[in-house]
Amino acid sequence: EIVLTQSPGTLSLSTGESATLSCRASQSVSSPYLAWYRQRPGQSPSLLIYGASRRAAGIPVRISGSGSGTDFTLTISRLEPEDFAVYYCQQYGSSLITFGQGTRLEIK
Amino acid sequence: EVQLVESGGGLVQPGGSLRLSCVGSGFSFSSWMMNWVRQAPGKGPEWISSIDSRSIAIYYADSVRGRFTISRDNAKNSLYLQMDSLRDEDTALYYCARDGRPLDHWGQGTLVTVSS
Repeated sequence: EIVLTQSPGTLSLSTGESATLSCRASQSVSSPYLAWYRQRPGQSPSLLIYGASRRAAGIPVRISGSGSGTDFTLTISRLEPEDFAVYYCQQYGSSLITFGQGTRLEIK
Repeated sequence: EVQLVESGGGLVQPGGSLRLSCVGSGFSFSSWMMNWVRQAPGKGPEWISSIDSRSIAIYYADSVRGRFTISRDNAKNSLYLQMDSLRDEDTALYYCARDGRPLDHWGQGTLVTVSS
């Protein structure tokens, strides 16, 4: 099983700033089959990024993903109020899908 | 528009059973792999099971293998999760999710509470 470790656990920033979220895998993620999701309070997770760097439909260009192997990053530029939520990375390169424990992005 | 609607959750005693259902619409359900993912209160999502479009390839997380059974009925656009020998730690919101590699659409979830 591939274990995903996200950091930081909580990130406190102001609107207009940029956020950098990290996801580290215990072993190399093939292809790379790495996705990022956003979860707002009371909602189900929503896909942002897949294939490490491809935006899902309707996701703005200020949200971007990068990385390969075991180290991946989600960057959100010019933070807007609706960006403050919990973010999860997920690997789907093996038959056993795993998620990271999440990073909470909160308003400073 | 893709829609996934779960049902069947509720309160059950430890050791009991429950069957969850998920109905898909707005897409060709029979062509897609499907998953169950759960989320315990205050925790991150945990994938628990996948089933391919023809019910040939089925996978389970270690935490539920031998207790939970995933199945589907493509004629009814439906996905199921039979949960037996339930434990306190199975308490969670259970989501079904379409598998577009990754999980591109999720339902709103159905709550399962295991408690005496």
